[in-house]
Amino acid sequence: DVKVTQSSRYLVKRTGEKVFLECVQDMDHENMFWYRQDPGLGLRLIYFSYDVKMKEKGDIPEGYSVSREKKERFSLILESASTNQTSMYLCASIGTGGYNEQFFGPGTRLTVL
Amino acid sequence: DAKTTQPPSMDCAEGRAANLPCNHSTISGNEYVYWYRQIHSQGPQYIIHGLKNNETNEMASLIITEDRKSSTLILPHATLRDTAVYYCIVRVPLNTDKLIFGTGTRLQVFP
Repeated sequence: DVKVTQSSRYLVKRTGEKVFLECVQDMDHENMFWYRQDPGLGLRLIYFSYDVKMKEKGDIPEGYSVSREKKERFSLILESASTNQTSMYLCASIGTGGYNEQFFGPGTRLTVL
Repeated sequence: DAKTTQPPSMDCAEGRAANLPCNHSTISGNEYVYWYRQIHSQGPQYIIHGLKNNETNEMASLIITEDRKSSTLILPHATLRDTAVYYCIVRVPLNTDKLIFGTGTRLQVFP
C-alpha cells in the first residue's frame, strides 16, 4: 500500500516558536504538496515541490517556508508561529505520468497558543 | 473556485446503496471527474476517477452522464465506516495541479 506519513497528528506550540512539520512518502513520487484546511475555507495550497530542492509557492505561502532535501521528504516550516496558523496541515504526493491521484497523509492538527 | 456542486448532506441506512450526486456543468473536454472522501480528522482519501465511461473499483462505482455535466458516486453497500465528507472534483490530471475541494457532501450512514 502507498503511504504518506506526517511526523505528528497533534501539535501545540506557542506564538513565535519555529515549527517543523515533516512529511515522508514511500512511493518514489516526484511531486509533493502542503495544504492547510480550515472550516469553511476548504483546502488551500501553501507550497509544492516537483523535485528535490525545487519548490513553488502556492496560494498562501506567507509565513511559511519549505525544504526538500531528499525525494521522499518534504518539510513545512513556520518561521515564527502565529495564532492564525492554527489549522489542519495536510501533505500529499503524486507521481509523474498517467492520471495518478494525489495521496494524502493523515494530517497534523496544529494549535498555536 | 470549485467547479462542482454537491448537496451538503445525505443520510443512508447501513447495507443500502449510497448514491452521491455531483453537478459539473462547465466541465471541459480534457477534465476528469475525481472523487475523494475525508473521514473526520483524517486526510482525504482517493476513491475513483473517470472521464466519460462508467468506472468501478473495489470501493465504489462512478456513473457519468453522457453529456458529462453530472455524475453519481455509488457505494453499493454502505457501512458505518463510510460516514465521511465526499468531494467531487474536476481536473486535468497534471501532476502539479493542486486539488480544489468544494464543500462536499457529508454522508451519514446510520444503523
